[in-house]
Amino acid sequence: GIQVEQSPPDLILQEGANSTLRCNFSDSVNNLQWFHQNPWGQLINLFYIPSGTKQNGRLSATTVATERYSLLYISSSQTTDSGVYFCAVERIGFQKLVFGTGTRLLVSP
Amino acid sequence: NAGVMQNPRHLVRRRGQEARLRCSPMKGHSHVYWYRQLPEEGLKFMVYLQKENIIDESGMPKERFSAEFPKEGPSILRIQQVVRGDSAAYFCASSPPSDRKQFFGPGTRLTVL
Repeated sequence: GIQVEQSPPDLILQEGANSTLRCNFSDSVNNLQWFHQNPWGQLINLFYIPSGTKQNGRLSATTVATERYSLLYISSSQTTDSGVYFCAVERIGFQKLVFGTGTRLLVSP
Repeated sequence: NAGVMQNPRHLVRRRGQEARLRCSPMKGHSHVYWYRQLPEEGLKFMVYLQKENIIDESGMPKERFSAEFPKEGPSILRIQQVVRGDSAAYFCASSPPSDRKQFFGPGTRLTVL
């Protein structure tokens, strides 16, 4: 099956700092989504981005499908950004998301 | 437009009992997916359903687990004779027929005593 690896596994930031999270995947995909799981366990859709670049406030994401990776940028981080960030992909021909291992982010005041 | 609804949010069962988890997809969504998240792990796909049809159940354990999405009413994930290892968060997601973006519910946290 497809492998989805995220880096770094853990990240600690001071409030206000910027960060880049990476997602590598081992096969062609037709769906890639980024999620934030907050400390209460709720999964929040951040981006649906099978290719290209999108921005939403302090967050932006870029997927380079031909090179099989995606990046999530967080600028001016806030304590409320803490939680686990998951990348999830859907392999061509399969309608199910395969989740990466996650990046656990802690933003301290 | 209400999001994906799941109930109950928390469920406690004793070993050997049955657990029924419900999922109401977003309005206009006819595709439902169930995922399981064990403590400190990522989400793992279980089953993909459309109305009255199971499309892909490759992630479902072969025994004790079943899922349905009837013509009327919510999708149900049923776990018979629960064991401690079934303790997890179970998430439901839905998507419309024309789009691949999946929207997730708040999850049901199952604890087996």
